[in-house]
Amino acid sequence: DAKTTQPTSMDCAEGRAANLPCNHSTISGNEYVYWYRQIHSQGPQYIIHGLKNNETNEMASLIITEDRKSSTLILPHATLRDTAVYYCIVRLNTNAGKSTFGDGTTLTVKP
Amino acid sequence: GAVVSQHPSWVICKSGTSVKIECRSLDFQATTMFWYRQFPKQSLMLMATSNEGSKATYEQGVEKDKFLINHASLTLSTLTVTSAHPEDSSFYICSATRIGGSNTEAFFGQGTRLTVV
Repeated sequence: DAKTTQPTSMDCAEGRAANLPCNHSTISGNEYVYWYRQIHSQGPQYIIHGLKNNETNEMASLIITEDRKSSTLILPHATLRDTAVYYCIVRLNTNAGKSTFGDGTTLTVKP
Repeated sequence: GAVVSQHPSWVICKSGTSVKIECRSLDFQATTMFWYRQFPKQSLMLMATSNEGSKATYEQGVEKDKFLINHASLTLSTLTVTSAHPEDSSFYICSATRIGGSNTEAFFGQGTRLTVV
């Protein structure tokens, strides 16, 4: 799996958009960008993934730069329940259960 | 959505005893399940890959004789921590991918917090 770099922590005001960056400059052509989050004392939760096109689902949007060396996860209207550690993982699109988790970004949503 | 359930959610055991943790895929079948361990304030570390009907594959540094993994059916994998010691206290998490699915999503259990006293 390609290495990723994320900020250690971020704050966001409730109701505002949370933009979480991830650098993955060594990503290879067939590797996807996955995002998971882990709320305290729970298992990780899948959020979204993409290859090169921007993606959106009911939870978030994923913006991938044209050179694919970085991406941004966007939570459009953050709530207090979005406070969690967010992990950006770059990996092949197989055996999704096997992932290398970095340190992630601790997002704190504040009222 | 697909659900992966772990049991128990938490367990306290005495040093030297063994503890079994179950990981079940409730509404789908999974030939492969994965076991992770997470120490406080650290990230998840993959311990082993559990394959239905065959031996598990362990990551480097994980003692296979200490962490016994059994994947007897397409919906159940178990992790047994043998002769547990306080340093084995951790948060254990399993994940699974769905047979016939896109193989792009991983579904994680809620985790099992093990405390060895």
